[in-house]
Amino acid sequence: GAVVSQHPSWVICKSGTSVKIECRSLDFQATTMFWYRQFPKQSLMLMATSNEGSKATYEQGVEKDKFLINHASLTLSTLTVTSAHPEDSSFYICSARPGGTGDSYEQYFGPGTRLTVT
Amino acid sequence: GQNIDQPTEMTATEGAIVQINCTYQTSGFNGLFWYQQHAGEAPTFLSYNVLDGLEEKGRFSSFLSRSKGYSYLLLKELQMKDSASYLCAVMDSNYQLIWGAGTKLIIKP
Repeated sequence: GAVVSQHPSWVICKSGTSVKIECRSLDFQATTMFWYRQFPKQSLMLMATSNEGSKATYEQGVEKDKFLINHASLTLSTLTVTSAHPEDSSFYICSARPGGTGDSYEQYFGPGTRLTVT
Repeated sequence: GQNIDQPTEMTATEGAIVQINCTYQTSGFNGLFWYQQHAGEAPTFLSYNVLDGLEEKGRFSSFLSRSKGYSYLLLKELQMKDSASYLCAVMDSNYQLIWGAGTKLIIKP
């Protein structure tokens, strides 16, 4: 149980275009989903936290108009990188936290999406 | 500020035991997580400690001392597949995960 999928697993796009990444919790309802970015040989950097039905909370330094997050249902969150540039090339990982898990606030990670902007 | 410290890299021999330490300073504490991350893949959950003491799960054990702001992950009977990065993360008072930079573990035959 507790499987999170991401689509696509990798994507190459041209500079200036937009890319949408989907994150789905397959066998549980995720009241909270997280979006991370990871550059090579670095740790995870939290970009934003989204709760179903409300606006995402962005971390300092993350442009909310560039990284659009939508958490329209308890099983789906999307991240859209708008007007992508080469410096946006990174490994984007989502995670989901089930609702009502008691004392454990474990996050279940998706497999990640590798974005390359040319 | 909030801070998680763990060694950048460690090397160990196949079949041996290795201990990866993590110290933390956070605003509040709601548990400490250890994750394993192989290169190019997403992290996978290893352990969660919220009370002091040792939690054992097969070849992996995790220890927590809240008074010292300290945890370690102990890996026994090391296998080549254990070569990965090990991430320590603390959940703060806002239930946000604060991540360490990760420890790259290299296993040699």
